[in-house]
Amino acid sequence: AQTVTQSQPEMSVQEAETVTLSCTYDTSENNYYLFWYKQPPSRQMILVIRQEAYKQQNATENRFSVNFQKAAKSFSLKISDSQLGDTAMYFCALISGTYKYIFGTGTRLKVLA
Amino acid sequence: DAGVIQSPRHEVTEMGQEVTLRCKPISGHDYLFWYRQTMMRGLELLIYFNNNVPIDDSGMPEDRFSAKMPNASFSTLKIQPSEPRDSAVYFCASSLAGGRYEQYFGPGTRLTVT
Repeated sequence: AQTVTQSQPEMSVQEAETVTLSCTYDTSENNYYLFWYKQPPSRQMILVIRQEAYKQQNATENRFSVNFQKAAKSFSLKISDSQLGDTAMYFCALISGTYKYIFGTGTRLKVLA
Repeated sequence: DAGVIQSPRHEVTEMGQEVTLRCKPISGHDYLFWYRQTMMRGLELLIYFNNNVPIDDSGMPEDRFSAKMPNASFSTLKIQPSEPRDSAVYFCASSLAGGRYEQYFGPGTRLTVT
């Protein structure tokens, strides 16, 4: 069975600081994709970043980057220079073999002014 | 380009009534997904379609739920009869085949069944 685990239900960070959200996963597939989605209070799910498992290089999108550790099955999200607009629920997701996402339970991030 | 469009944004109905949620995927996308989000159960995939054909409906909670996709630009999720435990936010998402697997979500419909 495929699983995605986010062990941090809530986190907070001061504006302009850096924060890392954790995600671990389990799959028996060799080819898979990992995603981070952001859900702000407006509840719209927004894709933040994606990572292909066959790529060793960590994905980066502006202030967002990942630390992909394939052997450890870990996929953490780093947010640099945190902004108030980053306050949201963050979901880690795995897709492999089919088009079905497996979502984690989410981490609620609050950026403090 | 317009994103995924869902209607209505909010729906309040009484127990026993029929509820129909609507979704228009991004033009050209060939996968469509229906999700339900609750505090207790998180995000659950209910059903997904490929080229208008249902591929996996194993997440549909019971026979009261049904989904259709009559054409590439429209899908419905129907609950009949509705129950208070169906109260949730329902999301539609679409995706394009070709390897990137990214899903684009609509704004969701908040359903309240009293």
